[in-house]
Amino acid sequence: DAKTTQPNSMESNEEEPVHLPCNHSTISGTDYIHWYRQLPSQGPEYVIHGLTSNVNNRMASLAIAEDRKSSTLILHRATLRDAAVYYCILRKGSNYKLTFGKGTLLTVNP
Amino acid sequence: SQTIHQWPATLVQPVGSPLSLECTVEGTSNPNLYWYRQAAGRGLQLLFYSVGIGQISSEVPQNLSASRPQDRQFILSSKKLLLSDSGFYLCAWSPPGQINQPQHFGDGTRLSIL
Repeated sequence: DAKTTQPNSMESNEEEPVHLPCNHSTISGTDYIHWYRQLPSQGPEYVIHGLTSNVNNRMASLAIAEDRKSSTLILHRATLRDAAVYYCILRKGSNYKLTFGKGTLLTVNP
Repeated sequence: SQTIHQWPATLVQPVGSPLSLECTVEGTSNPNLYWYRQAAGRGLQLLFYSVGIGQISSEVPQNLSASRPQDRQFILSSKKLLLSDSGFYLCAWSPPGQINQPQHFGDGTRLSIL
């Protein structure tokens, strides 16, 4: 499976936008980019996913570079409830498996 | 709307004892079902997945087994637990028929082996 690289941790202030980066230089044409987040002692929560085009939903936006070797998850206004570990995952269209790395621990300051 | 239930939330078991963790999904039919484990300080690892009743695929050979006796019920079992079986066990579901759809996770069972 293609690998992703994320910063270990990031910090943000409440009500400010947050840009969480992910590098995936070995991505293949059939890999979808998925983002999940996990709050302490809870199961992961689906955030967003995309293939080539930028995507928006009620939780976040996903910006995908034109060469698809990197992507950015955008939280438009961070809240304290957004403090979590954020995982960027590459998943082939034919694969059931989600392979979680270590993710980025996002801290949101009041 | 769909909901997923896992129980128990926490469990402490002695080495060598049996295990049964149950997961049920409501509000959907024929979901794809998954068992993951998160060991301390490590990422989630897929253990088993199922696309239908009685259909189980194992991702990692180990001391555990899975069964799907009913459409929306997924059970994780062990006959004799090892210390290495400790971890956070998560059940997930995704809509049927479409492999690349998001997976939705339960709140997990934290299993400690003594």
